[in-house]
Amino acid sequence: EDQVTQSPEALRLQEGESSSLNCSYTVSGLRGLFWYRQDPGKGPEFLFTLYSAGEEKEKERLKATLTKKESFLHITAPKPEDSATYLCAVWSWGSGAGSYQLTFGKGTKLSVIP
Amino acid sequence: DVKVTQSSRYLVKRTGEKVFLECVQDMDHENMFWYRQDPGLGLRLIYFSYDVKMKEKGDIPEGYSVSREKKERFSLILESASTNQTSMYLCASSRRLAGGNEQFFGPGTRLTVL
Repeated sequence: EDQVTQSPEALRLQEGESSSLNCSYTVSGLRGLFWYRQDPGKGPEFLFTLYSAGEEKEKERLKATLTKKESFLHITAPKPEDSATYLCAVWSWGSGAGSYQLTFGKGTKLSVIP
Repeated sequence: DVKVTQSSRYLVKRTGEKVFLECVQDMDHENMFWYRQDPGLGLRLIYFSYDVKMKEKGDIPEGYSVSREKKERFSLILESASTNQTSMYLCASSRRLAGGNEQFFGPGTRLTVL
């Protein structure tokens, strides 16, 4: 069974204080890893897809990286508007109930204080 | 711009009522999904559909059914609502292509069962 663990559960940063969120996974053959941002009371918003170890993607202050066991979401000089819950999800060859199912982590709640 | 819409943002129902949640996507995606999201439990897949009139059970299908009569529309049905079905319900859609499986989410429906 695929497992996805995100850490920390919550992270509080001062504006401008860079940090990283972690997503570690145990899957039977990774096909893709996805990062989402979710604001309170709203649906997750797609950020990045990573397909293979060594791949990196960037968007504004966010940079996602992937190794064979984990992914990091690096946040550089965060601003208060970056406050949200960040979810990662994996897509694997061993996904149950059909090959399009994703396994989600429980998320990291990021708070950026002005 | 990709768009997934859900019929209601907030819904309040009584125990035993039949509840319909509707989701529409305008991206011509083959796959559609229904999740529920609860604090501490993360996103859990209820059902998904990979084609019109096709459906597959997810991790927690008990107490729910689904209907997909048209490609763009996927309905979640609570046959007899119970208080433990109070939750945030999220619909998502994705393409059925080997190269990518990003799921795009709707805004969510906050259902309260009294």
